[in-house]
Amino acid sequence: AAGVIQSPRHLIKEKRETATLKCYPIPRHDTVYWYQQGPGQDPQFLISFYEKMQSDKGSIPDRFSAQQFSDYHSELNMSSLELGDSALYFCASSEGTSGGFYNEQFFGPGTRLTVL
Amino acid sequence: KNEVEQSPQNLTAQEGEFITINCSYSVGISALHWLQQHPGGGIVSLFMLSSGKKKHGRLIATINIQEKHSSLHITASHPRDSAVYICAVGLLEGGADGLTFGKGTHLIIQP
Repeated sequence: AAGVIQSPRHLIKEKRETATLKCYPIPRHDTVYWYQQGPGQDPQFLISFYEKMQSDKGSIPDRFSAQQFSDYHSELNMSSLELGDSALYFCASSEGTSGGFYNEQFFGPGTRLTVL
Repeated sequence: KNEVEQSPQNLTAQEGEFITINCSYSVGISALHWLQQHPGGGIVSLFMLSSGKKKHGRLIATINIQEKHSSLHITASHPRDSAVYICAVGLLEGGADGLTFGKGTHLIIQP
């Protein structure tokens, strides 16, 4: 069965650079969630999209932005990168309405971002 | 205080043992997820529960909504079960769409 795809899997950037992470949800899933997991930390919810509209916002820094496109894939754009942005970034997808936390979320493999 | 508490934090057991991991939460939830994370990071969804019990292979998950408690059981444990097991909940009130995660239980199954 198709799973959530994230690219790239690994990314190394310098401080103050920008990065774009991509997430391709499971086919027919219309909801995408982004999470950040710092070293030794539990994942923290950043932002979610349902039907190409921002659904909810968690602890996403103002330097980050995201969007969901017509094919339901999503991109997380990160600017002015800081050392503390080094983390594993997970995308998850689900089917359902906004507030779809009651629908099972399926996680991608993550993108490991290292900021030097 | 964390909204989601897991116990134990670390668990080492011998192959074949019956494993129980517990999760307690302090707020109203819409659903509870049990997730598995292997070294290297990938997260796999094991179960989503809003009531009762679910079973998949050697894994069993139960939830008691009144007591705000869930357990994940592994029967006939195997070294390949070694991973971090994470309890995550969808909050009912004032919660974002995203899940709120517990700190995880590091499970090691020794041959």
